[in-house]
Amino acid sequence: QKEVEQDPGPLSVPEGAIVSLNCTYSNSAFQYFMWYRQYSRKGPELLMYTYSSGNKEDGRFTAQVDKSSKYISLFIRDSQPSDSATYLCAMRLDTGRRALTFGSGTRLQVQP
Amino acid sequence: EAGVAQSPRYKIIEKRQSVAFWCNPISGHATLYWYQQILGQGPKLLIQFQNNGVVDDSQLPKDRFSAERLKGVDSTLKIQPAKLEDSAVYLCASLGVRGGDTQYFGPGTRLTVL
Repeated sequence: QKEVEQDPGPLSVPEGAIVSLNCTYSNSAFQYFMWYRQYSRKGPELLMYTYSSGNKEDGRFTAQVDKSSKYISLFIRDSQPSDSATYLCAMRLDTGRRALTFGSGTRLQVQP
Repeated sequence: EAGVAQSPRYKIIEKRQSVAFWCNPISGHATLYWYQQILGQGPKLLIQFQNNGVVDDSQLPKDRFSAERLKGVDSTLKIQPAKLEDSAVYLCASLGVRGGDTQYFGPGTRLTVL
């Protein structure tokens, strides 16, 4: 079993739709949770960053962490064609090493 | 602020050949990571440096992979000899501070082993 599971998609939605992306994990010691966006042939870039459980909102993006269920989500409101990319969840322990464990990524396509 | 630079962007080699990748992190970033991203998978950590010292190389296949970060700035990752399963994108990231911490990734080097 992988430490972090993520539905690979692809997920295709019409422009303006609400998108829900999810990851589950097995290591209850993870404390920091991130969502990265990766465009084709580019490196990942950080979208959202959450410590422990709770919600965080940034513009059209909302990240949720439920540590009791070991489940994290990213919601994208009013999705745009420019949101078409692969979304990677990542998480790490609360230690100084800060090495990230990534999910396999979900490919999102927003149709105009 | 300049981002993380990597070169080359693409490399094609025959199996059993050797190859090297170069990374220049964001100025002032003491922590540097090398990740391997196989097609359809998330990045997997190979090695982490703090300045010029190795913090974690537990997932580096040391029989064929090596990495160094002389002078605590640029880093090189080498594969010798390469195998078919080494075909992947090799990503370099450096660590900044934004709230908790943010890893900034370079564009990666896409390696194809034939």
